[in-house]
Amino acid sequence: GESVGLHLPTLSVQEGDNSIINCAYSNSASDYFIWYKQESGKGPQFIIDIRSNMDKRQGQRVTVLLNKTVKHLSLQIAATQPGDSAVYFCAEKGSSYKLIFGSGTRLLVRP
Amino acid sequence: KAGVTQTPRYLIKTRGQQVTLSCSPISGHRSVSWYQQTPGQGLQFLFEYFSETQRNKGNFPGRFSGRQFSNSRSEMNVSTLELGDSALYLCASSLDGSGSYEQYFGPGTRLTVT
Repeated sequence: GESVGLHLPTLSVQEGDNSIINCAYSNSASDYFIWYKQESGKGPQFIIDIRSNMDKRQGQRVTVLLNKTVKHLSLQIAATQPGDSAVYFCAEKGSSYKLIFGSGTRLLVRP
Repeated sequence: KAGVTQTPRYLIKTRGQQVTLSCSPISGHRSVSWYQQTPGQGLQFLFEYFSETQRNKGNFPGRFSGRQFSNSRSEMNVSTLELGDSALYLCASSLDGSGSYEQYFGPGTRLTVT
């Protein structure tokens, strides 16, 4: 499959463990944040989003935490599965109609 | 409901040529955004269209252009191709781009410039 990034930071976790992927964003005025998952050969897939008036949001097996004080976003995946192996991107949106993406983190799940 | 479709999926062009890529958004979505993805630069925003109007543009040279049709389908064009234009070009659609801004991406068009 296609590689979306040859030199991405990589997080390796054991199947069944929890994963935490971190992201630092750049614009303190950004009001909306999204996490995407990209598997080889596919476009990014929406995972979860959060608005700046929240500091935590939970989905199915995923939780996003937002710390506006230090401009930090994290994605927590519970009970990580082999199908979670992918590249994960955070994205922020400011006042304009565009998303600014982080550089991505590759998650490898060891069986 | 069908997802975002992009055509062609793969394309090989030579330097100096021009190329047109097509994107069909999810039915009912009116906003279409284009991104370039490369290993070195990651995902970079090209432009966004809503109701046939470009609402926002990224920091790409004028060789990159786009348009949107009345049925929300969008095309992007790259003229005078350079080797550095080799990339995965992704299209994403959303309902109107001003609400939750949940974008749905297509599979991309892999452009190789030789």
